[in-house]
Amino acid sequence: DAGVIQSPRHEVTEMGQEVTLRCKPISGHNSLFWYRQTMMRGLELLIYFNNNVPIDDSGMPEDRFSAKMPNASFSTLKIQPSEPRDSAVYFCASSSRLAGVGNEQFFGPGTRLTVL
Amino acid sequence: GQQVMQIPQYQHVQEGEDFTTYCNSSTTLSNIQWYKQRPGGHPVFLIQLVKSGEVKKQKRLTFQFGEAKKNSSLHITATQTTDVGTYFCAGSSGTYKYIFGTGTRLKVLA
Repeated sequence: DAGVIQSPRHEVTEMGQEVTLRCKPISGHNSLFWYRQTMMRGLELLIYFNNNVPIDDSGMPEDRFSAKMPNASFSTLKIQPSEPRDSAVYFCASSSRLAGVGNEQFFGPGTRLTVL
Repeated sequence: GQQVMQIPQYQHVQEGEDFTTYCNSSTTLSNIQWYKQRPGGHPVFLIQLVKSGEVKKQKRLTFQFGEAKKNSSLHITATQTTDVGTYFCAGSSGTYKYIFGTGTRLKVLA
């Protein structure tokens, strides 16, 4: 099992540019989470999908952030336009049971985003 | 909203000493999970606690869930250099959403 796959692992971009982060969850998992980790704010849940449907996007910081899950094996998190304060490590995680209740989350290796 | 705090924020110990991190939630939890994140790595699941007063052990690690289900602790006996990392608790009120604690960063001095 390859685990959760994220790409790119590192991204350096300039303010105003569009950034797209990608995630492939573990096969068979039906819940997918996007998190952002910073020193100041810790690990924050941005959005949660269940069976490819966005259930809770209340953690998405603002309209510049959007996420999609077109099928069970792929999700994207897009930032447009990016700003320096978006610099962080973005993690994707997946879990296997209905609505992800009470199940361990398997985290991907993360994407370290730097916006100059 | 729900908040989960951990103390201490940092802990440096000599190899062989014990270590404890405490997790406190502002609301009653349905269950709590613990994760470990190595420097430069990603969070890795350690354990889940569900029952009030539950105690679980994994080798040198002991996890407890408070009677009121608002706090939890992780105790490591005789730390080793491989224990280095940040330990997070993550609490749920019964839904998919887990609120991660602020984390305790452990450094073990050889």
